[in-house]
Amino acid sequence: GENVEQHPSTLSVQEGDSAVIKCTYSDSASNYFPWYKQELGKRPQLIIDIRSNVGEKKDQRIAVTLNKTAKHFSLHITETQPEDSAVYFCAASRGGNNRLAFGKGNQVVVIP
Amino acid sequence: DAGITQSPRHKVTETGTPVTLRCHQTENHRYMYWYRQDPGHGLRLIHYSYGVKDTDKGEVSDGYSVSRSKTEDFLLTLESATSSQTSVYFCAISEGGGNQPQHFGDGTRLSIL
Repeated sequence: GENVEQHPSTLSVQEGDSAVIKCTYSDSASNYFPWYKQELGKRPQLIIDIRSNVGEKKDQRIAVTLNKTAKHFSLHITETQPEDSAVYFCAASRGGNNRLAFGKGNQVVVIP
Repeated sequence: DAGITQSPRHKVTETGTPVTLRCHQTENHRYMYWYRQDPGHGLRLIHYSYGVKDTDKGEVSDGYSVSRSKTEDFLLTLESATSSQTSVYFCAISEGGGNQPQHFGDGTRLSIL
């Protein structure tokens, strides 16, 4: 089955700087790649997703890029703010009844 | 926010007792999922459903069973709870299968003593 890995496990950035989290996946047939943000004690919330027919997608200060050849995708957060501090999970799936495989999460800390 | 309600939100019980968690949705979505979340393990799929009475196992299904008798309700049962099942349990829903967005409920914190 699909295996997703995230790096780095913890990332500290100064407020206003950019943060980048990278995920690698193993199944070349995966075609859907969402990112979730989870604040302490809260539910995971979908923040952005990308499909395999697109190389990049942006939504205000966040963007996701996909490299199908290398089998990795990355979350980019620009102009970080304290409220961006959270755990971020990436995931991958090939669709249908195949499961959404999650990475173990990255802790992002934005230092004011 | 997606209309997903998990109950109970918190539960403390003893080893060996049966426990049932409920997920209720108002979105009429076909797919429903149960995950557990533990430190260092991220989100792991327990069971999922792709329609009424249609369910399948996930990666950590041992010790758990599920039922879906109505589109809106997905039940997770621990037949005989063990301390290793202490965790936070999340329900999620999606319109389609694995390549459609999943939206999560607020979770159930389950402690088994």
